[in-house]
Amino acid sequence: GAGVSQSPSNKVTEKGKDVELRCDPISGHTALYWYRQRLGQGLEFLIYFQGNSAPDKSGLPSDRFSAERTGESVSTLTIQRTQQEDSAVYLCASSLEGAGEKLFFGSGTQLSVL
Amino acid sequence: GENVEQHPSTLSVQEGDSAVIKCTYSDSASNYFPWYKQELGKRPQLIIDIRSNVGEKKDQRIAVTLNKTAKHFSLHITETQPEDSAVYFCAASKAAGNKLTFGGGTRVLVKP
Repeated sequence: GAGVSQSPSNKVTEKGKDVELRCDPISGHTALYWYRQRLGQGLEFLIYFQGNSAPDKSGLPSDRFSAERTGESVSTLTIQRTQQEDSAVYLCASSLEGAGEKLFFGSGTQLSVL
Repeated sequence: GENVEQHPSTLSVQEGDSAVIKCTYSDSASNYFPWYKQELGKRPQLIIDIRSNVGEKKDQRIAVTLNKTAKHFSLHITETQPEDSAVYFCAASKAAGNKLTFGGGTRVLVKP
């Protein structure tokens, strides 16, 4: 595709429900990141995938958060038993080989937990 | 792991003045330092980057300087314009295959 694609663009859910966010990186990009950005705040690192290496999960805020990536393609971020503090924009980004390469960001998923 | 500190968190300048944002990093092995600009409601986009084999890089009104000894790098915007108003993020990383770590961001407001 032409860029990093994220879906859905907006998600409204009720507290306690599970949600799944999807990211389609640029074809051939081996590195993929998930970030959380609360309104007016910075980029909070969640998880990093690089090729076939074990993912860096050090940013996941709790065990309610998990992410998977199929090979070097699609990634899904799952949030279980959502809480109101999970409301934020979730950004995905990919790059050609990880560090030292330009990151391309998706347009994000705006998650609202009521 | 790497830790990147960014200052100031907010910066207000008069149109036409210069703006300077500073970042420090903790890992002396880091060798790639990009800067991203995020306009309101938009995704972050790369505006300039520098690698450790150079001390300064310029692109029109923006420049980045790097001091590896002191482990800090800075973004300079000259002749600021209202369209420069945005949040700017610095970042640092080591060799390919390592994670990019972002600073906390600087909200820049250019007043006409």
